[in-house]
Amino acid sequence: SQQGEEDPQALSIQEGENATMNCSYKTSINNLQWYRQNSGRGLVHLILIRSNEREKHSGRLRVTLDTSKKSSSLLITASRAADTASYFCATDARGYSTLTFGKGTMLLVSP
Amino acid sequence: EAGVVQSPRYKIIEKKQPVAFWCNPISGHNTLYWYRQNLGQGPELLIRYENEEAVDDSQLPKDRFSAERLKGVDSTLKIQPAELGDSAVYLCASSRGYQGKSLFSYNEQFFGPGTRLTVL
Repeated sequence: SQQGEEDPQALSIQEGENATMNCSYKTSINNLQWYRQNSGRGLVHLILIRSNEREKHSGRLRVTLDTSKKSSSLLITASRAADTASYFCATDARGYSTLTFGKGTMLLVSP
Repeated sequence: EAGVVQSPRYKIIEKKQPVAFWCNPISGHNTLYWYRQNLGQGPELLIRYENEEAVDDSQLPKDRFSAERLKGVDSTLKIQPAELGDSAVYLCASSRGYQGKSLFSYNEQFFGPGTRLTVL
């Protein structure tokens, strides 16, 4: 079963705009990770945020985590056509070393 | 550093036929995962290995699926016999495993390109 639920399911924007994706989960977690999947490819790790962190940055990515609401958001600033991909959140529940993935948000960035 | 290697990349078989997928993880990664990803969904774990031991196979349909990681390095996932509903992408991933057992240990996984299985 999939713990995370991404929102929206699909997002279409123009190059240069910002893209925000949200993830909600159900159980307590150790950390939350975001992955990107280009069409026909495997997943690539983007960023990890631990349960005691509230915000983290990596290049054009900004991730927030609200453990009281069991939710996270991924912001991609100044998007590029190359950002077109599916984005998944994955939770690592306390005491387990197994990631549970959501269904993903499909992002389309048009030139 | 070479990434996770999977073969074949694509496989088309008739239902009731057997099929096998192979994965070679990143060197030094003790933990190996097999996931199944259906169209429009996120990956779902089938089995996790710590070295050669299968420590989580609760989601593996054991009547038709089997896996092995004999020497704690590469791994094979087999389906016999395949059913129409097995059509999916099968992903292999590896990780170093937990950095100790503290609260802040993390588990970044590195994925292979996957094998796209079509069962006709």
